[in-house]
Amino acid sequence: DAKTTQPPSMDCAEGRAANLPCNHSTISGNEYVYWYRQIHSQGPQYIIHGLKNNETNEMASLIITEDRKSSTLILPHATLRDTAVYYCIVRVNGYNKLIFGAGTRLAVHP
Amino acid sequence: ETGVTQTPRHLVMGMTNKKSLKCEQHLGHNAMYWYKQSAKKPLELMFVYSLEERVENNSVPSRFSPECPNSSHLFLHLHTLQPEDSALYLCASSRGGGPGSGANVLTFGAGSRLTVL
Repeated sequence: DAKTTQPPSMDCAEGRAANLPCNHSTISGNEYVYWYRQIHSQGPQYIIHGLKNNETNEMASLIITEDRKSSTLILPHATLRDTAVYYCIVRVNGYNKLIFGAGTRLAVHP
Repeated sequence: ETGVTQTPRHLVMGMTNKKSLKCEQHLGHNAMYWYKQSAKKPLELMFVYSLEERVENNSVPSRFSPECPNSSHLFLHLHTLQPEDSALYLCASSRGGGPGSGANVLTFGAGSRLTVL
C-alpha cells in the first residue's frame, strides 16, 4: 500500500475553511484516497473518499491533484466540533484492511 | 438500534481473569474488524472477518481470541492479559467484497476501554 504523509498538527479559526494536506507520492493507479477522523476517545468516522476526481459530500470536499500524488481535505466552515485527528489512507478498493497512521491533529479555536 | 454497538464500554480486569468484548452491527454489513488503540498510538488492526471467515490476523498474541458466529456479531475473548494490553478496543464493520463494494468504508463503534490491573 502507498504510504501517506500528513502534518502532525494544524490550527484553524472557527468559521474559516480548514485545508488538510496529504502526500501520497507512491500511490498506484487503482488506489483510492480515504479520509477518516477521530474525535477524542471515540471511534473513527468515515468522511469521504476518491480515486482521481474531486469529490464533495455534506461533510467535506476532497481535492486530488492531477498526478494523484497529493490531496487536500477541505472543511469549508470549521466548527469547534471539527476538532479531531484526521487520517488520510490510501488503499485499493475492495480490500478489508485499512491501516491508520498518526494523522493530523486539527484544533479549531474560537 | 442502528450502527455498531460495543459492550461493555468500560472493563477493568485482573491478569488472571477471562472476559469478552462484544460487538453488534445492524447495518447489513458482512465484514467486521477489531482494532486496538493504545495511548498516543495509531490504531492497530488486529483481526478482520469477511463473511464470518477470518481473513486477517496481524500477529496478535493468542491471549486475544476472536469469534464471529454470524455476520452481525463479533466477539473478542480475553484471557491472561498483561497491563500493556490496556487500550481502547474498537470494532468496525463494512460491506465486504471486491472493487466498488465499499469495503473500505468502515463504520466504527464507540469502543470498549479496557484496563488490565
